[in-house]
Amino acid sequence: EAGVAQSPRYKIIEKRQSVAFWCNPISGHATLYWYQQILGQGPKLLIQFQNNGVVDDSQLPKDRFSAERLKGVDSTLKIQPAKLEDSAVYLCASSLERAGNEQFFGPGTRLTVL
Amino acid sequence: GNSVTQMEGPVTLSEEAFLTINCTYTATGYPSLFWYVQYPGEGLQLLLKATKADDKGSNKGFEATYRKETTSFHLEKGSVQVSDSAVYFCALTVTSTLTFGKGTMLLVSP
Repeated sequence: EAGVAQSPRYKIIEKRQSVAFWCNPISGHATLYWYQQILGQGPKLLIQFQNNGVVDDSQLPKDRFSAERLKGVDSTLKIQPAKLEDSAVYLCASSLERAGNEQFFGPGTRLTVL
Repeated sequence: GNSVTQMEGPVTLSEEAFLTINCTYTATGYPSLFWYVQYPGEGLQLLLKATKADDKGSNKGFEATYRKETTSFHLEKGSVQVSDSAVYFCALTVTSTLTFGKGTMLLVSP
């Protein structure tokens, strides 16, 4: 079974530029999550999708971050414009629909903002 | 709100030593508890979990017991290997959203 795929693996941009990350969840997983992991900290949830609807985006900085999950499969997370403090690893995870199901994580995208 | 507190690392051990990584939590409701591991250059992997009080999760020689009375979920292993070197995250969920601790780096030397 293929795991969660993410691209790119690494990205370096300058502040005020825009960037987008892509995630392809495990086939059949209805729930998709985006996490931000700042160096030295645990992952923090940014947004959770159930199929193509948003379940929780309370910690998403909506003035600069946006995410979509068209057709309930792939998802993209965008930052525009980026700030220095956005430097982090962005993790995508997916799970089956029911609460309490195990979340499977992708390898992450490491973003460096200069 | 929900929160997880882990002991700070790095934890440095020799091969075959006993490992304990402490984790305590605060939660509303009845959480499920997890340990995730992150090997260098890889994504997070579920190591073990426990869904109710007194449950013991175990995998690959690691164990953790859900202690409601002390709100703890300490990770233990009797004999660590060099290949166990990684960052370990304690986490909880009450609904479907995971709340993570800051992570504890484990370094095992031969």
